[in-house]
Amino acid sequence: AQKVTQAQTEISVVEKEDVTLDCVYETRDTTYYLFWYKQPPSGELVFLIRRNSFDEQNEISGRYSWNFQKSTSSFNFTITASQVVDSAVYFCALSEKKDRGSTLGRLYFGRGTQLTVWP
Amino acid sequence: GAGVSQSPSNKVTEKGKDVELRCDPISGHTALYWYRQSLGQGLEFLIYFQGNSAPDKSGLPSDRFSAERTGGSVSTLTIQRTQQEDSAVYLCASSFQPGQQETQYFGPGTRLLVL
Repeated sequence: AQKVTQAQTEISVVEKEDVTLDCVYETRDTTYYLFWYKQPPSGELVFLIRRNSFDEQNEISGRYSWNFQKSTSSFNFTITASQVVDSAVYFCALSEKKDRGSTLGRLYFGRGTQLTVWP
Repeated sequence: GAGVSQSPSNKVTEKGKDVELRCDPISGHTALYWYRQSLGQGLEFLIYFQGNSAPDKSGLPSDRFSAERTGGSVSTLTIQRTQQEDSAVYLCASSFQPGQQETQYFGPGTRLLVL
């Protein structure tokens, strides 16, 4: 079963629209971390945010905001007033404390959401 | 400072040939990860190194894949007898320490195409 689900494969918006990217995760751990990464056309994964399971406060960074809700196992990402430069694939990822293997910190990624912002 | 670097950027090879992919982590980072990104499988974990400890190879898809990390720094991922299904982008990441709380920083990847 997928540990991280990003149900939206592709989203298209027009510049200045707000857009929310959904992320639902699954874990039995009480301690875990969630991440968002951006992958622009150049291909490099760019770190955006890290959130631990004990901190449910929403976070805002400029036009970006994140809504973490443990009750629904969701960690959604909103871009306000989108811009063409926001066009990229966005990945949500989970890191668990207890892993079946011994790898500390391996990331489980969702399939990503391709966001296209049109001018 | 310098980020994670990978070489080559692109590699085209013929089926059955061996390839080596290189990763140079951020200086001072002790943990190093390899991931593979393909259309069919998304982003999947391959192998993890922590300092000079034995690597965790649990994600390697077959025994044709191997990796080493010399001197706790540079890592090389080797694919022997490449197959067409090995075509993917191979991403390397490093973190200051191992652990779920650590942020992994990724390199630009190596795009491998097996003809």
